[in-house]
Amino acid sequence: DTEVTQTPKHLVMGMTNKKSLKCEQHMGHRAMYWYKQKAKKPPELMFVYSYEKLSINESVPSRFSPECPNSSLLNLHLHALQPEDSALYLCASSQGTGELFFGEGSRLTVL
Amino acid sequence: AQKVTQAQTEISVVEKEDVTLDCVYETRDTTYYLFWYKQPPSGELVFLIRRNSFDEQNEISGRYSWNFQKSTSSFNFTITASQVVDSAVYFCALSGRSINNNDMRFGAGTRLTVKP
Repeated sequence: DTEVTQTPKHLVMGMTNKKSLKCEQHMGHRAMYWYKQKAKKPPELMFVYSYEKLSINESVPSRFSPECPNSSLLNLHLHALQPEDSALYLCASSQGTGELFFGEGSRLTVL
Repeated sequence: AQKVTQAQTEISVVEKEDVTLDCVYETRDTTYYLFWYKQPPSGELVFLIRRNSFDEQNEISGRYSWNFQKSTSSFNFTITASQVVDSAVYFCALSGRSINNNDMRFGAGTRLTVKP
């Protein structure tokens, strides 16, 4: 069982909707990440939070808004998305030794 | 610039065959970290191994083994006596001096299918 939990597992939304993806880890890791993965492609880094502060934003459109309420939680707020934003969104955490621990992902479909 | 190349897009083998997944990397850093991840159909990427640039010892873990060769900038992964459960997409990844992984780069992945 994964120690990084993501909800929901599946999400379908219209282009005018507002929704959020949630991620939780209880491993005491201080860095958390959002990745986007399109079909048959590798994960692409979107955001990195280190000690609850946003440290990396890989030029992601503002319709994606991350939030880190505390060291165990990570949210990704979605607003006015486009169909091309449909993808698997993966959350990960790390303990500073390099390896990432991923959740099972939230599969997003934008209609 | 860092780059990871997994030239094998898809590999198909029959159960019990051995299979090697290739990974070639490029980096200008003298200190760097290499990783392998497995992504089964469920979607979750599972960490398999981390190697730092100063440790060229090969590693074996059960049916899995890794061959790290700095001279050829390669970090290949071999599965011995493959099983159907090994079917997945395998990603090789490279991270530089920043241990926070903000520069981690994944290869394109190799889809392994193991047939019964």
